[in-house]
Amino acid sequence: AQSVAQPEDQVNVAEGNPLTVKCTYSVSGNPYLFWYVQYPNRGLQFLLKYITGDNLVKGSYGFEAEFNKSQTSFHLKKPSALVSDSALYFCAVRDMGTGGGNKLTFGTGTQLKVEL
Amino acid sequence: NAGVTQTPKFQVLKTGQSMTLQCAQDMNHNSMYWYRQDPGMGLRLIYYSASEGTTDKGEVPNGYNVSRLNKREFSLRLESAAPSQTSVYFCASSQQANTGELFFGEGSRLTVL
Repeated sequence: AQSVAQPEDQVNVAEGNPLTVKCTYSVSGNPYLFWYVQYPNRGLQFLLKYITGDNLVKGSYGFEAEFNKSQTSFHLKKPSALVSDSALYFCAVRDMGTGGGNKLTFGTGTQLKVEL
Repeated sequence: NAGVTQTPKFQVLKTGQSMTLQCAQDMNHNSMYWYRQDPGMGLRLIYYSASEGTTDKGEVPNGYNVSRLNKREFSLRLESAAPSQTSVYFCASSQQANTGELFFGEGSRLTVL
């Protein structure tokens, strides 16, 4: 079965510094990978996805993610963090089983805190 | 354009009571999903409906039932609520294509006493 792991429960970074939120995956076959963000008391919002093609994927709000097949990683990055980026971030992988739809398996989430 | 709308936003139940969470989407999406979110566990899929007229179990279906009423609406029912079902429930929708992103509702916070 497919899975994703987010090894850090929380990441702290100063505003203006680069940020990285880590994700590793385990799938059989080619992975379809996603990042979502959740602000307090809100639903999840789509940030970006990797299906195929360039290993560097650009998404919303200046975020990007780097797909690394040899390390089975899909880390989320941003060159310059903002206080408003503080939120809960989820990595997800598509379930490649039968049944249709786009069922996702989510990681446990990483709380990002950006401080002045 | 409301996107995905869930009702109610908050609910408190006693053990053994039943209730239905309602979800509607106005994006003409084919697929709909119910997830639950618990601290330290991320989101776990309860049930999904790949298209109108079909429903399938996800990772944690026990204690729940679903109904895909039409293309827009997908409800989640707790027949006999248990404290272990205290959680935040999210409905989501997507196009049927296997690479489409999910659009989530704002969530329904359920407490079972």
